[in-house]
Amino acid sequence: DAGVIQSPRHEVTEMGQEVTLRCKPISGHDYLFWYRQTMMRGLELLIYFNNNVPIDDSGMPEDRFSAKMPNASFSTLKIQPSEPRDSAVYFCASSLYPTEAFFGQGTRLTVV
Amino acid sequence: QQQVKQSPQSLIVQKGGISIINCAYENTAFDYFPWYQQFPGKGPALLIAIRPDVSEKKEGRFTISFNKSAKQFSLHIMDSQPGDSATYFCAASTGNQFYFGTGTSLTVIP
Repeated sequence: DAGVIQSPRHEVTEMGQEVTLRCKPISGHDYLFWYRQTMMRGLELLIYFNNNVPIDDSGMPEDRFSAKMPNASFSTLKIQPSEPRDSAVYFCASSLYPTEAFFGQGTRLTVV
Repeated sequence: QQQVKQSPQSLIVQKGGISIINCAYENTAFDYFPWYQQFPGKGPALLIAIRPDVSEKKEGRFTISFNKSAKQFSLHIMDSQPGDSATYFCAASTGNQFYFGTGTSLTVIP
């Protein structure tokens, strides 16, 4: 298996623009997590899905953030409108159980 | 509120030495304690994990020590190598959520 695949690896966008991050989890994994990593706040769980259903989105910072999982092999995290303080590395992770999460390589988002 | 407190923030160890990273938690509902290793430009990768029914788990040069009564656990890296230089995160899980520590940047100097 190729592991968790995220795209794009890097994204630079202007403030106010819509940003969509994509994730393909490991086949067969029932759980999918979106994390944000910054120097100031470390790794923060934004939202996680179980069997494509959002279970806990309490970590989503604002209504500007939304996440979907239309099927077992694809998820998106959207920020609209984006702001400079959204600049971070966003990780997607998947797992067979809610433990042992496998992380993708991340998307480095820069909002200017 | 930080659910898992990790220290130190950074650590420099000589090659061949022992690296020790500590974590503490408050929530007694946590039942799974993994450690993740992250290299620059990469996502965190599971290194080793322990459940609270054991006090120690060893995998190669990596050992987790777990003290349930003190609500503390630590990662020991024996015979540290320059290739171990990375950021290490402890985490705690209730079974449906992970809470990560703030990370420790380890540098092993030759």
